[in-house]
Amino acid sequence: KNEVEQSPQNLTAQEGEFITINCSYSVGISALHWLQQHPGGGIVSLFMLSSGKKKHGRLIATINIQEKHSSLHITASHPRDSAVYICAVWKTGTASKLTFGTGTRLQVTL
Amino acid sequence: DVKVTQSSRYLVKRTGEKVFLECVQDMDHENMFWYRQDPGLGLRLIYFSYDVKMKEKGDIPEGYSVSREKKERFSLILESASTNQTSMYLCASSLLSLAGGADEQFFGPGTRLTVL
Repeated sequence: KNEVEQSPQNLTAQEGEFITINCSYSVGISALHWLQQHPGGGIVSLFMLSSGKKKHGRLIATINIQEKHSSLHITASHPRDSAVYICAVWKTGTASKLTFGTGTRLQVTL
Repeated sequence: DVKVTQSSRYLVKRTGEKVFLECVQDMDHENMFWYRQDPGLGLRLIYFSYDVKMKEKGDIPEGYSVSREKKERFSLILESASTNQTSMYLCASSLLSLAGGADEQFFGPGTRLTVL
């Protein structure tokens, strides 16, 4: 079983819909990282968080340390949000090295 | 802005060839990483370096070696390429967190390597 699990694996939404991507982990962590990968490969950082909630534009990330769960929400989704969203964690005691989920592929249609 | 560059976006090599993938970062980061990404498996760490000439094996180091002679440059070497090394290779860098905590990783654009 992977230490970092994401759901769903694939998601199709219509423009304007509210989207939630989930990430569960089974290890102790110091922080969690949400990343976005567009077709072509480049990966960009969206959020780093170790508690609570962060918001940037239409993106919101939350984490519940007790439940070992994080969610990434996209409000008013747009076709340009189509990408693979990756959850990764810094496991406690393995500073600097990330452990990755397998990603959620999001397709937003008109 | 942090910039991480990789020497090639696409590369085609033949089985048995020696392959060099180069990564350069311009923000004086101590940590540098090489990952490979395969469908359904996510990103997996091949090697990691936290300082010049220092390296640590990641989860899948077999068939690979690395070199870090300068702080800004981290090279991945496939001594004798094989077809099962066909993959997307991504380089990343981050600051060294002295407190043992997490520091954001910045990724290069990736090199899609095909070994025939």
